[in-house]
Amino acid sequence: EAGVTQSPTHLIKTRGQQATLRCSPISGHTSVYWYQQALGLGLQFLLWYDEGEERNRGNFPPRFSGRQFPNYSSELNVNALELEDSALYLCASSPLGQGSYNEQFFGPGTRLTVL
Amino acid sequence: AQSVTQLGSHVSVSEGALVLLRCNYSSSVPPYLFWYVQYPNQGLQLLLKYTSAATLVKGINGFEAEFKKSETSFHLTKPSAHMSDAAEYFCAVSEGSASKIIFGSGTRLSIRP
Repeated sequence: EAGVTQSPTHLIKTRGQQATLRCSPISGHTSVYWYQQALGLGLQFLLWYDEGEERNRGNFPPRFSGRQFPNYSSELNVNALELEDSALYLCASSPLGQGSYNEQFFGPGTRLTVL
Repeated sequence: AQSVTQLGSHVSVSEGALVLLRCNYSSSVPPYLFWYVQYPNQGLQLLLKYTSAATLVKGINGFEAEFKKSETSFHLTKPSAHMSDAAEYFCAVSEGSASKIIFGSGTRLSIRP
């Protein structure tokens, strides 16, 4: 069974540009989560999508946005990039939308560098 | 609100020694608790999870953790460390229905030959 995949592996942008990160969940999983792992800040929850809808959002500005497609894959968009957006962005998927526990399976991440 | 505190950002043990990584949590409802491991330049891999069943949870690679409600702790242990255990370990908590995971700050485990 294929795991969570993310693309690209690395992404280099300059300040002010836009970045688009992509995630494909495990087959059969309907929920996709995005986390930011920035140096010194740990792992922070960004966004949760389930069945095409945004279900929850972490404490990030509106320039962080995303969407989930009918095939449950997801995009994370970061507009007006700032230097502090440089981080590893992890995507996770889960077979459960709500209720019970949600074991999340993580992808390898996209390393975003903002120059 | 939920939170997780990992005591010690860096732990170093000798190969063959006991591994003990400490985690304390705060949750207003019965929590679901997780330990994840992250090897260099990789994503997170689930080691084990507590979901209100047995309080002693066994995971992969010989790791286990014990849920102690009275101490609000979920410490990770392994009887004998291997060089391959060197990695970053994250304790995490979830309320389940909220479907987001709150991670601790992580503990980097180093293994001395």
